[in-house]
Amino acid sequence: GQQLNQSPQSMFIQEGEDVSMNCTSSSIFNTWLWYKQEPGEGPVLLIALYKAGELTSNGRLTAQFGITRKDSFLNISASIPSDVGIYFCAGRGDTGTASKLTFGTGTRLQVTL
Amino acid sequence: DAGITQSPRHKVTETGTPVTLRCHQTENHRYMYWYRQDPGHGLRLIHYSYGVKDTDKGEVSDGYSVSRSKTEDFLLTLESATSSQTSVYFCAISDDDRDDEKLFFGSGTQLSVL
Repeated sequence: GQQLNQSPQSMFIQEGEDVSMNCTSSSIFNTWLWYKQEPGEGPVLLIALYKAGELTSNGRLTAQFGITRKDSFLNISASIPSDVGIYFCAGRGDTGTASKLTFGTGTRLQVTL
Repeated sequence: DAGITQSPRHKVTETGTPVTLRCHQTENHRYMYWYRQDPGHGLRLIHYSYGVKDTDKGEVSDGYSVSRSKTEDFLLTLESATSSQTSVYFCAISDDDRDDEKLFFGSGTQLSVL
């Protein structure tokens, strides 16, 4: 199946720092999604992107749909301890159904005081 | 929280035994999904359902079967569990298969096959 590569795999940062992570695909996607998973819970949608070049914010989080349509980026500004978790990207191409979502391998974020 | 309940939350079983995981929803959503989550692989779709008695295979369906006899319940069965099926299993629901923002996940079932 399709592969989504996320980097970095893990990050250890101090409270207040900004965070950047990205997701790359071997094929073109029409939708990019970013999820956060907290320990013992399922993923929760943070941001959805539908157009190449689109930049969307959700509080301190900003995500971008890459212009090549093969990548996406997530930035977190001024990190706080509750940002801890695993961040997943997901995308899908032309088939247009949730059953065709491909998920990335995740970026584990740890925030120290 | 979306009304999704997965049971059990944790299970340890032995190789070769049958195992059934249950996903129950109170949202009356049409679509239900089973994923597994493994390190280095993210979430991968096992099976999904688009209505009562209507199911289809996902990316990693070998060794798994599903049933949906009622709108609210979607069962995942491992007929003969293997160690490679040790994983965290997530159920998800949606009322619109074409709207990604309407896909909600349960809290997961941690399954260990010894």
